[in-house]
Amino acid sequence: QKEVEQNSGPLSVPEGAIASLNCTYSDRVSQSFFWYRQYSGKSPELIMSIYSNGDKEDGRFTAQLNKASQYVSLLIRDSQPSDSATYLCAVILGSGGGADGLTFGKGTHLIIQP
Amino acid sequence: NAGVTQTPKFQVLKTGQSMTLQCAQDMNHNSMYWYRQDPGMGLRLIYYSASEGTTDKGEVPNGYNVSRLNKREFSLRLESAAPSQTSVYFCASSGHHSNQPQHFGDGTRLSIL
Repeated sequence: QKEVEQNSGPLSVPEGAIASLNCTYSDRVSQSFFWYRQYSGKSPELIMSIYSNGDKEDGRFTAQLNKASQYVSLLIRDSQPSDSATYLCAVILGSGGGADGLTFGKGTHLIIQP
Repeated sequence: NAGVTQTPKFQVLKTGQSMTLQCAQDMNHNSMYWYRQDPGMGLRLIYYSASEGTTDKGEVPNGYNVSRLNKREFSLRLESAAPSQTSVYFCASSGHHSNQPQHFGDGTRLSIL
């Protein structure tokens, strides 16, 4: 069965520290990976997309992809209380197009402690 | 800059009633999607439409029907609502290229009594 797995948390991180969120996926040929942030009662908001092995940085956020290990991660530097949310890992499983829909992990609840 | 607009935002139905959830996007996207989000289950794909005139089943299509009315609009219909369909429903859209990220509407919170 094709799956995306995340630790549900909660993950508690002190303000100013680095938060590290992890995700594994089951389909080796997957090509497209996304991180969404979801505040309680709100809709998912796209933070990062990554398609190639290695790191991709955008402000305080860095996405890391290792296709050989079927692993994608999100680092949040200088964590702020406003980063407290649920972070969803989403994958377009298989080698097909995005019109097949995203497969989501169940999300990691991140708490930034002031 | 509306993006993806869903109506209604909240709805309470009785078991057996029908209703249609509306979704419209103004980003000229080709692909549109309906997801449901349940506690402990994450987001699951119900139906999607790769382009105007086409629709396909996702992971959990039973009990739902969809219509891609035009490029902008994609509706989700519950013909005979059941308590198991109590959920938060999200519509999303994505651009022409197959690996483009999806952008979500604000959701419809639906309760079936």
